[in-house]
Amino acid sequence: SQQGEEDPQALSIQEGENATMNCSYKTSINNLQWYRQNSGRGLVHLILIRSNEREKHSGRLRVTLDTSKKSSSLLITASRAADTASYFCVNSGNTPLVFGKGTRLSVIA
Amino acid sequence: DARVTQTPRHKVTEMGQEVTMRCQPILGHNTVFWYRQTMMQGLELLAYFRNRAPLDDSGMPKDRFSAEMPDATLATLKIQPSEPRDSAVYFCASGLEGPPYNEQFFGPGTRLTVL
Repeated sequence: SQQGEEDPQALSIQEGENATMNCSYKTSINNLQWYRQNSGRGLVHLILIRSNEREKHSGRLRVTLDTSKKSSSLLITASRAADTASYFCVNSGNTPLVFGKGTRLSVIA
Repeated sequence: DARVTQTPRHKVTEMGQEVTMRCQPILGHNTVFWYRQTMMQGLELLAYFRNRAPLDDSGMPKDRFSAEMPDATLATLKIQPSEPRDSAVYFCASGLEGPPYNEQFFGPGTRLTVL
């Protein structure tokens, strides 16, 4: 299965703290993507990391990839209330994207 | 600002009625995906198209669901007859040809309630 599995299922932090979400996958990857979904909205692409990359940054986001452990992590630094959303990782191999259940992040002001 | 559009945004209907949802992918994108999201099942892939041709609709209940792309600017998902268990949010997404599949752009979704 190309599905990624996010951990934890839910995470609650205070505004200003860092949030770390993890992702594990079973098969080999070409690239791994992270998406965010605000309540009642469609998913929004955040960042893509390729299999030959180990770390990538985009603003307050930092993604790491460990292909030997088949895992990735998403770090959001200095979290804001607006970061409250569900976050999904997707192993985009050779099939259409298959999404897991995601991590529900709550940032409390 | 290119974006995927979906209509209607909300639909309430009675069991047995036909429901048609429409999606306009981003101009130039040649892959289109239909997803369904519920609390219990999460986000499920129903069908996808490449260059308007259906590639896989194995995630779709064949007896009542159908998906088509009459032209490059319109994708439709039809349910006939609808059932209460079809209540969900239906998302359309578009992107450029893969594999490997790169970024998908999602529409705002159609929230369907079947009474």
